[in-house]
Amino acid sequence: DGGITQSPKYLFRKEGQNVTLSCEQNLNHDAMYWYRQDPGQGLRLIYYSQIVNDFQKGDIAEGYSVSREKKESFPLTVTSAQKNPTAFYLCASSMGQTDGYTFGSGTRLTVV
Amino acid sequence: GQQLNQSPQSMFIQEGEDVSMNCTSSSIFNTWLWYKQDPGEGPVLLIALYKAGELTSNGRLTAQFGITRKDSFLNISASIPSDVGIYFCAPQINSGGGADGLTFGKGTHLIIQP
Repeated sequence: DGGITQSPKYLFRKEGQNVTLSCEQNLNHDAMYWYRQDPGQGLRLIYYSQIVNDFQKGDIAEGYSVSREKKESFPLTVTSAQKNPTAFYLCASSMGQTDGYTFGSGTRLTVV
Repeated sequence: GQQLNQSPQSMFIQEGEDVSMNCTSSSIFNTWLWYKQDPGEGPVLLIALYKAGELTSNGRLTAQFGITRKDSFLNISASIPSDVGIYFCAPQINSGGGADGLTFGKGTHLIIQP
């Protein structure tokens, strides 16, 4: 079955360490997205990619980096420059502009 | 920038009650999407609306795309325990420029009391 997979489900890191969150999809979707979710804040867009080897900053890109070397994969790195990295991170993909998104099940990152 | 307001922020209801939530914006949109997020999971698309005035049902769920194209509502009839979760609206402009990121409302947290 096609879907979008995020790993790991839970991640703990020490303050000052970079950490990379994985997102893989086998839906043959062109576009992929990363969102951050905090209580009471809804979903905020970090980065998105419409095609391979291209990506754009979203509303809260500072302290994050991404790559899109393969259509199936869109990893997110949370760098030490991100001041408040503890959050629930959601990856999504879509075929086109008018289609809804398919979301992964999320990664809960806790930085201590 | 556009303002997107989703209300209510949370709802505490009894099982069997009907639920109503809405989103309003200062901007005009071509598409309204409604998502549901179960605790600890990613959102799942419930209903998509593509035309002003459109009224669409999906089981106990009914959603409408406002005539002004600036708002939408979602109703849930006869709520059951599995309706618990966070509901998000996500309007889209579809400007033809590519698959930009959706903007989501801040969500309506539905809690069903026993």
